[in-house]
Amino acid sequence: QKEVEQNSGPLSVPEGAIASLNCTYSDRVSQSFFWYRQYSGKSPELIMSIYSNGDKEDGRFTAQLNKASQYVSLLIRDSQPSDSATYLCAVIKGGSTLGRLYFGRGTQLTVWP
Amino acid sequence: SQTIHQWPATLVQPVGSPLSLECTVEGTSNPNLYWYRQAAGRGLQLLFYSVGIGQISSEVPQNLSASRPQDRQFILSSKKLLLSDSGFYLCAWRHPVGVIKGYTFGSGTRLTVV
Repeated sequence: QKEVEQNSGPLSVPEGAIASLNCTYSDRVSQSFFWYRQYSGKSPELIMSIYSNGDKEDGRFTAQLNKASQYVSLLIRDSQPSDSATYLCAVIKGGSTLGRLYFGRGTQLTVWP
Repeated sequence: SQTIHQWPATLVQPVGSPLSLECTVEGTSNPNLYWYRQAAGRGLQLLFYSVGIGQISSEVPQNLSASRPQDRQFILSSKKLLLSDSGFYLCAWRHPVGVIKGYTFGSGTRLTVV
C-alpha cells in the first residue's frame, strides 16, 4: 500500500475558479502533512504545511486535514495561469527526528485564461 | 539563511559508467539530508537519508549508494550505471528538529543514461 495516494488528474480549471486537489494517506499515526508545487523541469517548492485537523489558510491557498478520514486537500482560490504546475502531497512518517517525507505522484493542474 | 546546492544540473552518461552527484548545504549545522529520484511520469522516490556524518540509511535496494563525508555534504554514487538509473535526482535537507518546516530541495540533477 502506498504511503500517499493522489488523483493524478490532470485537472483543468478556468482562471478565477477554485482548484481542489485531494490526497489520502495510509499511516494513521502520521502527524505532518505538506503540499509542494513543482513547475515543469524544476524542483518542488513547499507551499503549505498542516498538522492539526481543520483548515489552514495562506493567501489564496487553503489546506484541509481530516485525520479520521486520513484525507488532506488543497484549495486554490482565484486560480491564475501561473498556478499551472504539478502539486505534490507529502506525509512525514517515522517521527520528528527520523521522520522521512513520502510523496504522492502529484496532480497536474492547468489554469486556462 | 540556509541554501542547498546541487551539481551538475544535467548529466548524460553511458551505461556502465560511474556516477557521482554532490549536494552541499550552507547556513546550518547537522542537517538531515535526503536523496530522491523522480523518474519520468512517476512520483518522488526516497532513495537515501542521513542524520549525521557517516550515517546512511537506504530506502530501497538498488544500484546506487550514498555517503556523507562531512556534516553538510551528501554524495550519491554508482559504480556502473544502468538505463533504469535515468531520472531527476533531488537532494533535500531539513533541520533535525524542524520537521514541521518540511524539506527544502536543491535544484536537481537531470541524469540521462544512454
